[in-house]
Amino acid sequence: GAVVSQHPSWVICKSGTSVKIECRSLDFQATTMFWYRQFPKQSLMLMATSNEGSKATYEQGVEKDKFLINHASLTLSTLTVTSAHPEDSSFYICSAGARDRAYNEQFFGPGTRLTVL
Amino acid sequence: QKEVEQNSGPLSVPEGAIASLNCTYSDRGSQSFFWYRQYSGKSPELIMSIYSNGDKEDGRFTAQLNKASQYVSLLIRDSQPSDSATYLCAVNGGGNNRLAFGKGNQVVVIP
Repeated sequence: GAVVSQHPSWVICKSGTSVKIECRSLDFQATTMFWYRQFPKQSLMLMATSNEGSKATYEQGVEKDKFLINHASLTLSTLTVTSAHPEDSSFYICSAGARDRAYNEQFFGPGTRLTVL
Repeated sequence: QKEVEQNSGPLSVPEGAIASLNCTYSDRGSQSFFWYRQYSGKSPELIMSIYSNGDKEDGRFTAQLNKASQYVSLLIRDSQPSDSATYLCAVNGGGNNRLAFGKGNQVVVIP
């Protein structure tokens, strides 16, 4: 149980285009989903927290108009990187907190490696 | 702001030995504690959860929690080369289920 998928696993795009990343909880309902970014050899950086049916809460310094998050259902959240630039190239990882878990474990998706040319 | 500190690595251990990782946290109200393993180029994988003081064992892994001293540790017994990874300590205690992560400890198991 507690499987989270992400799609795509990697993407290469041209500067100025938008990229959408999907995060799905496959066998549980996710009350909350989280989006992280990780640069090479650095620690995880939380970008935003999203709850189903409400607006995402962004961390300080993360542009909400650039990183659009939609959490339309208890099993799906999407992150759209708008007008991507080379500095947005990174490893984007989502995680999901299960609705029926008492202790707030987060289960991570496999990640999406974004390369912006 | 929650802070989670992990002592700097990397930690090199010979195959078959015990790897010991420590983590301290600043928020005394923290309730849940986790260890994640992250292989290079991969996403983190939950390997241990602990919520009560004391030890919790799962296979070759033992997590230890001491809320009074605000530390949580992870022991890996009979270390294997496949245990070579970065281990992340994570703590939860507030609303919205957010986790505070340490910077991680790299473990290298030498055959």
